[in-house]
Amino acid sequence: DAKTTQPNSMESNEEEPVHLPCNHSTISGTDYIHWYRQLPSQGPEYVIHGLTSNVNNRMASLAIAEDRKSSTLILHRATLRDAAVYYCILRPQYNYGQNFVFGPGTRLSVLP
Amino acid sequence: AAGVIQSPRHLIKEKRETATLKCYPIPRHDTVYWYQQGPGQDPQFLISFYEKMQSDKGSIPDRFSAQQFSDYHSELNMSSLELGDSALYFCASSSRDRLGTDTQYFGPGTRLTVL
Repeated sequence: DAKTTQPNSMESNEEEPVHLPCNHSTISGTDYIHWYRQLPSQGPEYVIHGLTSNVNNRMASLAIAEDRKSSTLILHRATLRDAAVYYCILRPQYNYGQNFVFGPGTRLSVLP
Repeated sequence: AAGVIQSPRHLIKEKRETATLKCYPIPRHDTVYWYQQGPGQDPQFLISFYEKMQSDKGSIPDRFSAQQFSDYHSELNMSSLELGDSALYFCASSSRDRLGTDTQYFGPGTRLTVL
């Protein structure tokens, strides 16, 4: 699987936007970019995924660079509940049921 | 909406005992994944099943086995338990979408403590 690189940790203030970067310079043309997060003592939670175009959902936005070698997860207004470890994961298209590699991700702290 | 159900939520066993963890996927999901997460670590993929057949295998010890049943629920059987097996065990389920990828939905996990 192609490798991703994320900062170990980031800090944000409550109600401010947060931009979580991910580098994936060896991404292949059929790799989807997935983001999951894990709140303390909970299972990982799906956030968003995309292939080439930027994506928005109720939780976040995903901005994908034109060359697809990097992407950014955007939380528009951080809340205390957004404090979690965020994982950027590449997943080949049609790779159903195959190994899914977590980590290391970015530990986001949100300050009140 | 229905979520992934795991049972039990907590389990305490002695060394060398056996344990069975159960996972009930979201209705109409055909794929189940198992993960192990040790203290302070990232989730590690163990094994997955698609349509009741093993789909992929990760770092699962030979002492562990798993299967997916006709109703799509899955069980992870762990024998000769060791202290190092103490961890959170997550199950996730998914179904493929029309774009050629799948989104995994995770259960709350089973916390296994081996004494």
